[in-house]
Amino acid sequence: EVQLVESGGGLVQPGGSLRLSCSTSGFIFSDHFMDWVRQAPGKGLEWVGRIKNKANSYSTEYAASVKGRFSISRDESKNSLYLQMNSLKTEDTAVYYCVRVLGSSLLDYWGQGTLVTVSS
Amino acid sequence: DIQLTQSPSFLSASVGDRVTITCRASQGISSSFAWYQQKPGKAPKLLIYATSTLQSGVPSRFSGSGSGTEFTLTISSLQPEDFATYYCQQLNSYPLTFGGGTKVEIK
Repeated sequence: EVQLVESGGGLVQPGGSLRLSCSTSGFIFSDHFMDWVRQAPGKGLEWVGRIKNKANSYSTEYAASVKGRFSISRDESKNSLYLQMNSLKTEDTAVYYCVRVLGSSLLDYWGQGTLVTVSS
Repeated sequence: DIQLTQSPSFLSASVGDRVTITCRASQGISSSFAWYQQKPGKAPKLLIYATSTLQSGVPSRFSGSGSGTEFTLTISSLQPEDFATYYCQQLNSYPLTFGGGTKVEIK
C-alpha cells in the first residue's frame, strides 16, 4: 500500500524557516518524481514544486511564488522527500501536501498534509 | 504561466442530476490535463488524467473530455458521495497550475 506521511509543520514567525518531511512507503521511491502542493485555509490548490528522479538528474521546478525561498530535496536511502522553506511570509500559511507523480503527468497519491502557520 | 479558469465556482444540484464543470486555459495545451475531487478536511483524490482516462477505482459516472483550451468534467448522475469540490489541473508546462475549484452542493 502506497503511503505518504508529512511532518514538520507548525507555527513560525514571518522571516523564519521550516523544513517539512515526507516519509514514503509501499512503492519504489527512487523511480518517481515527487511534488509538493499547498492549500491556504479556505482556498484552492497551489502547486509548489517538483523534484525529478535520478534518471532526470534530480532536477527541480518551482512556482514563482516560492522560487528562491523554498528548496526541494530527497533522500533515497530514507525514501523521504523534503521541503526547506526560508524567508517565510504570512501568505505561505497553508496545508502542505506531499504527492507522488506517476510518469510526469499523474499526481496519483497524496499525503494527508501538514499545516504550516506563519504568524507573529 | 497557463491560467485555468474554472466554471462555475459554485453549483447546487440534486441527486441524479447531470453535472458539467468547465475549465478554460489561457493558451492551448496538450492532453496533459487532470481532474481532482476534494472533500472537507481530506487530501484531493485523482479522478481523471490525460483529459479522459478514469483513474482506477473511480466510478464510470465520471468522465472527462476536451482539447486545446477547453476541458470538461461530467458527472452523469450525481450521487450523495459526489458532493465535494472539484479542481482541474494542467500538466503541460511548468509551473503546473490548478483551476480555482467548483464546489458542488446539495440543492
